[in-house]
Amino acid sequence: DQQVKQNSPSLSVQEGRISILNCDYTNSMFDYFLWYKKYPAEGPTFLISISSIKDKNEDGRFTVFLNKSAKHLSLHIVPSQPGDSAVYFCAASSNSNSGYALNFGKGTSLLVTP
Amino acid sequence: DSGVTQTPKHLITATGQRVTLRCSPRSGDLSVYWYQQSLDQGLQFLIQYYNGEERAKGNILERFSAQQFPDLHSELNLSSLELGDSALYFCASSVAGGWNTEAFFGQGTRLTVV
Repeated sequence: DQQVKQNSPSLSVQEGRISILNCDYTNSMFDYFLWYKKYPAEGPTFLISISSIKDKNEDGRFTVFLNKSAKHLSLHIVPSQPGDSAVYFCAASSNSNSGYALNFGKGTSLLVTP
Repeated sequence: DSGVTQTPKHLITATGQRVTLRCSPRSGDLSVYWYQQSLDQGLQFLIQYYNGEERAKGNILERFSAQQFPDLHSELNLSSLELGDSALYFCASSVAGGWNTEAFFGQGTRLTVV
């Protein structure tokens, strides 16, 4: 079963505007969340993360918001640039596992147009 | 460049055959993870090794096995291959094996079973 869901397969945004990518999760034990970016023919690249003790984490143009009660997180990119065009994966993990397994969503393909 | 090296980049083989995928983690990383990405699917966690020992297991088929060697490189063995095993296989590594550690991904091995 898909415990991390990205319900928008694709998103198109104009350069300079805000991109908002959404992610929902079902497992209340998840307490660490990450966003990865993936270009074609490359592996996923870590972008930003957030612990469940926070509700916001910012890194330059990228901000991740976490709403634990709604089991929802979002990634904001401001301002969006054409180089941001990629597939964005949301991932989550829990401290309850003896090991470490990132549970990924299926990804959202972002297209930033000039 | 993430520092994680996967070989080969592409592999085409027939059903029923056996293949080995290889991964060299980033220098200093003790943990290695294997993920499978099938068409229209997110990244599915297969297995994690930490410093030579299996740490966590995901949805890995019995026909698949992995190991991590003393020099920390890892191999994923896929046997009795079926058409449905065609996918991108990613290796990732991290310094530690904990739940709140970012993992760095290789470029993947594209396996095609014909």
